[in-house]
Amino acid sequence: AQSVTQPDIHITVSEGASLELRCNYSYGATPYLFWYVQSPGQGLQLLLKYFSGDTLVQGIKGFEAEFKRSQSSFNLRKPSVHWSDAAEYFCAVGPSGYSTLTFGKGTMLLVSP
Amino acid sequence: DVKVTQSSRYLVKRTGEKVFLECVQDMDHENMFWYRQDPGLGLRLIYFSYDVKMKEKGDIPEGYSVSREKKERFSLILESASTNQTSMYLCASSSTGIVTNEKLFFGSGTQLSVL
Repeated sequence: AQSVTQPDIHITVSEGASLELRCNYSYGATPYLFWYVQSPGQGLQLLLKYFSGDTLVQGIKGFEAEFKRSQSSFNLRKPSVHWSDAAEYFCAVGPSGYSTLTFGKGTMLLVSP
Repeated sequence: DVKVTQSSRYLVKRTGEKVFLECVQDMDHENMFWYRQDPGLGLRLIYFSYDVKMKEKGDIPEGYSVSREKKERFSLILESASTNQTSMYLCASSSTGIVTNEKLFFGSGTQLSVL
């Protein structure tokens, strides 16, 4: 069965500092990987996705993620965090075809002045 | 702009009541989903539907049912609400493309409190 682990429940980063959110997955074949963001009082919004090809993917709002098969990881990064990035971030994994995504438990990002 | 609309932002119900949560999407998407979100547990899939009148159980279907009579509308039903169903409920939709569920579009959620 597929699963996703986000080891950090909360992370606090100073505004302007770099960010890395960790995501590890378990899946038997090549997975399809996603990062979603949930701002307070909102639904989830897709940041970026990886299906195949270049293992470094670019997303919206200046985010990027790198797929590392050897480490079963898909970490999310941003070089300089803005206060508006404070939100909860979810990593998700899914196989291709008619199936559903499995979400991690989320990482809450707090941005300090 | 594309939209998934959930009928209520906040809902308070009593134990034993029958509760309907409504979700409408305007993107002509084939696939619709109901998740519940609880602190520390992330999102858990309750039910999903790939077509009108079609439904599939997700990971936690117990105590819930769904209805999809029209393509744009997907209803979640709590037959007899219980306090452990107090949660945030999120509806989502997606199109059947090259990779199904390539991008999920989410509603803003319904915070349900069962007293």
